Amino acid sequence: GENVGLHLPTLSVQEGDNSIINCAYSNSASDYFIWYKQESGKGPQFIIDIRSNMDKRQGQRVTVLLNKTVKHLSLQIAATQPGDSAVYFCAEEMRSQGNLIFGKGTKLSVKP
Amino acid sequence: GAVVSQHPSWVICKSGTSVKIECRSLDFQATTMFWYRQFPKQSLMLMATSNEGSKATYEQGVEKDKFLINHASLTLSTLTVTSAHPEDSSFYICSASQGGLSYTFGSGTRLTVV
Repeated sequence: GENVGLHLPTLSVQEGDNSIINCAYSNSASDYFIWYKQESGKGPQFIIDIRSNMDKRQGQRVTVLLNKTVKHLSLQIAATQPGDSAVYFCAEEMRSQGNLIFGKGTKLSVKP
Repeated sequence: GAVVSQHPSWVICKSGTSVKIECRSLDFQATTMFWYRQFPKQSLMLMATSNEGSKATYEQGVEKDKFLINHASLTLSTLTVTSAHPEDSSFYICSASQGGLSYTFGSGTRLTVV
């Protein structure tokens, strides 16, 4: 879908706390999802992915949860650090299309 | 790991001129490359998808005659912004895929048209 609005939602957390970033995806036929981290002036950096046949996947300090019923993804970051400050995007792919469509993004700000 | 090199990282050009941005996959063959545009405080918007040796597929609303995409080899795709105008100023990002569940992004190009 198209992006609307000029302001990214912002999540502000204290260093050491856990962060939860949410994303609503648009296409019920999407079957692969990725979370990306983007620092200012840089390209997206892969964090973690999940396929539609799973509802949870864990990485190092990060967990992705997928709820296909309500088309919702979340990214949980444990023990958030100042280096985690960035904009986080979810992206969805429908295998038959073979391209990634990005969600609106959330700016994470970590207070020391 | 897979690396995608994008150049230039930034460019300033005059209105009416054309600018070429290169995207190279350094250590893998990219069967498909994608071009995105990102305005400040907004998400990445897919502009076009290109497969090596064939014409690019453009997303709705993207002018194919203005944003020329060439994907002549499995390691190089170029985006040329023709007759650039200030409203074309944006952050352009490429991505390369070997197929399967793998996308590698370039570091982006900041285009400023004055």
